[in-house]
Amino acid sequence: AQSVTQLDSQVPVFEEAPVELRCNYSSSVSVYLFWYVQYPNQGLQLLLKYLSGSTLVKGINGFEAEFNKSQTSFHLRKPSVHISDTAEYFCAVKSSGGSYIPTFGRGTSLIVHP
Amino acid sequence: SAVISQKPSRDICQRGTSLTIQCQVDSQVTMMFWYRQQPGQSLTLIATANQGSEATYESGFVIDKFPISRPNLTFSTLTVSNMSPEDSSIYLCSVEGGGSYEQYFGPGTRLTVT
Repeated sequence: AQSVTQLDSQVPVFEEAPVELRCNYSSSVSVYLFWYVQYPNQGLQLLLKYLSGSTLVKGINGFEAEFNKSQTSFHLRKPSVHISDTAEYFCAVKSSGGSYIPTFGRGTSLIVHP
Repeated sequence: SAVISQKPSRDICQRGTSLTIQCQVDSQVTMMFWYRQQPGQSLTLIATANQGSEATYESGFVIDKFPISRPNLTFSTLTVSNMSPEDSSIYLCSVEGGGSYEQYFGPGTRLTVT
């Protein structure tokens, strides 16, 4: 079985400040890791993913995440946020062999203030 | 990548009625997934739909309440039957991106049951 914990339900931040959204996972097998973003009244879209290789992954809109196997974490970061980054962010994990069904975290609401 | 459309985008329905949600994908896919996202919550998988076979339902979801059709490789429907206010949610259609391992999502159907 696998699980995902997003430690913060809501993260308020001022525009142009850096932000980190935290994600921890548990799994008995190797995993693939994902961050998705959901803008208001829209479906989810992929921000970035880790499948293998370099543990630092860069995604769209200036976001990046680092896979830390020893800490079982996959935190999402952006050095300078914009108002338009206000959205719900979901971390997800999928087993690299076996189940094709991902497990999603509960989501973190990023609120960017002017 | 895959582009997914859903109909309707939103609806307000009365208790005891049923609503059928349509999902159209712009390419042929083997598996389609139906998720429920309740207000402020993460995604909960309802069922996986393969073309030509019965859908596989997750724990807590039954075919009588959420019948699914999958007549071909690009289309699926989810019916929410005998609705109650607890069924008020966003319903999302999703497919897997094959070798990319990521999920693609439709824009969602926002259902309110009064």
